[in-house]
Amino acid sequence: KQEVTQIPAALSVPEGENLVLNCSFTDSAIYNLQWFRQDPGKGLTSLLLIQSSQREQTSGRLNASLDKSSGRSTLYIAASQPGDSATYLCAVEGRSTLTFGKGTMLLVSP
Amino acid sequence: DGGITQSPKYLFRKEGQNVTLSCEQNLNHDAMYWYRQDPGQGLRLIYYSQIVNDFQKGDIAEGYSVSREKKESFPLTVTSAQKNPTAFYLCASSMSGQIEAFFGQGTRLTVV
Repeated sequence: KQEVTQIPAALSVPEGENLVLNCSFTDSAIYNLQWFRQDPGKGLTSLLLIQSSQREQTSGRLNASLDKSSGRSTLYIAASQPGDSATYLCAVEGRSTLTFGKGTMLLVSP
Repeated sequence: DGGITQSPKYLFRKEGQNVTLSCEQNLNHDAMYWYRQDPGQGLRLIYYSQIVNDFQKGDIAEGYSVSREKKESFPLTVTSAQKNPTAFYLCASSMSGQIEAFFGQGTRLTVV
């Protein structure tokens, strides 16, 4: 059974720092990996989708990488802002469904 | 606007009652999913459907039921058999498996 782990569970940084969120998964037979953002009490917003044949995706200040062989993905956030404060979730897609990690709660202070 | 609509946003239920959560999408997506989110546990899959009139159990289907009579609708019923129903419920859809998933804004169910 696929298991997804996110490290760290929580992270607090001052505004302007570059930071890295980590995601690891146990079964490398995935179709894609998706990073989501969740604000308190809200649904999930898709940030980046990396297909299994891709190594990375970029959107603005966000860059996500995927190493299937080692079962790892990282989400890099450049020049963090207070508006980036949220929980970030990693999910991998197997045959039919997504398996989620428990998330990293990020707080960016002014 | 295209998207996924969950209603209601907040729902209160008395113990022993069944309650139905609505999920509608106008994205023309084939696949729809229901997840439950509890503090510290991440999202867990309840049921999913890849095509109309067909659905499969996820990891925690006991005490829940679904139907998929229309492509755009995937309602979830929380039955009295669900022992701990208080949670945040999220509905999602995708064009098919292996493609980007989109989520609704969630329904918070509280048993009183």
